[in-house]
Amino acid sequence: QLQLQESGPGLVKPSETLSLTCTVSGGSISSSSYYWGWIRQPPGKGLEWIGSIYYSGSTYYNPSLKSRVTISVDMSKNQISLKLSSVTAADTAVFYCARQLITYDFPRKQNAFDIWGQGTMVTVSS
Amino acid sequence: QSALTQPASVSGSPGQSITISCTGTSSDVGGYNYVSWYQQHPAKAPKLMIFDVSKRPSGVSNRFSGSKSGNTASLTISGLQAEDEADYYCSSYTSISTNVVFGGGTKLTVL
Repeated sequence: QLQLQESGPGLVKPSETLSLTCTVSGGSISSSSYYWGWIRQPPGKGLEWIGSIYYSGSTYYNPSLKSRVTISVDMSKNQISLKLSSVTAADTAVFYCARQLITYDFPRKQNAFDIWGQGTMVTVSS
Repeated sequence: QSALTQPASVSGSPGQSITISCTGTSSDVGGYNYVSWYQQHPAKAPKLMIFDVSKRPSGVSNRFSGSKSGNTASLTISGLQAEDEADYYCSSYTSISTNVVFGGGTKLTVL
């Protein structure tokens, strides 16, 4: 059974870079049938898509975060990583990684997130 | 401001049916059949309940159904149960650059 587990520091200082890792177990990250995405949820608020990556390394970012976000894949470790630079208190959130379905039509498009990690809380504070 | 509009809250009694709406535009909900719905209990990760407007993943109760008309998608829960009390989020593919957009979420209260 495929499982995703986020890991990383729970506390980051303002202006620094937030770095998280998502380890995938029970399946390969190199499947051509899925993207892998990051989603965040500020306390008491809704979900916000951060970005997604294909195993080939192709990335798709939320324009509102694009200038600060880098998502990468490490197939040897079956992991995807998230880096968010120049963080502020507004970046405090639970961060989730998730497997993302790809549509069957062409060009292929991003679709639903079918398997999620448990999430990790990151607080931005000095 | 969320790209997709959902009511902040809905409620219903056990056994009843409720419907949650999700309104977008022709660039997302209205233009593509790639609407999905998620259930989130407090302090838990979201769970996919519906994808491709009306498809249920394996293991999801058939009390949950999805539909779409124009720019508005809907999630219907029939035979409401106490365990259905949760937050529900819609999402859609969008041809505008974000690629994925979520609704603001709807809190379902089972009375």
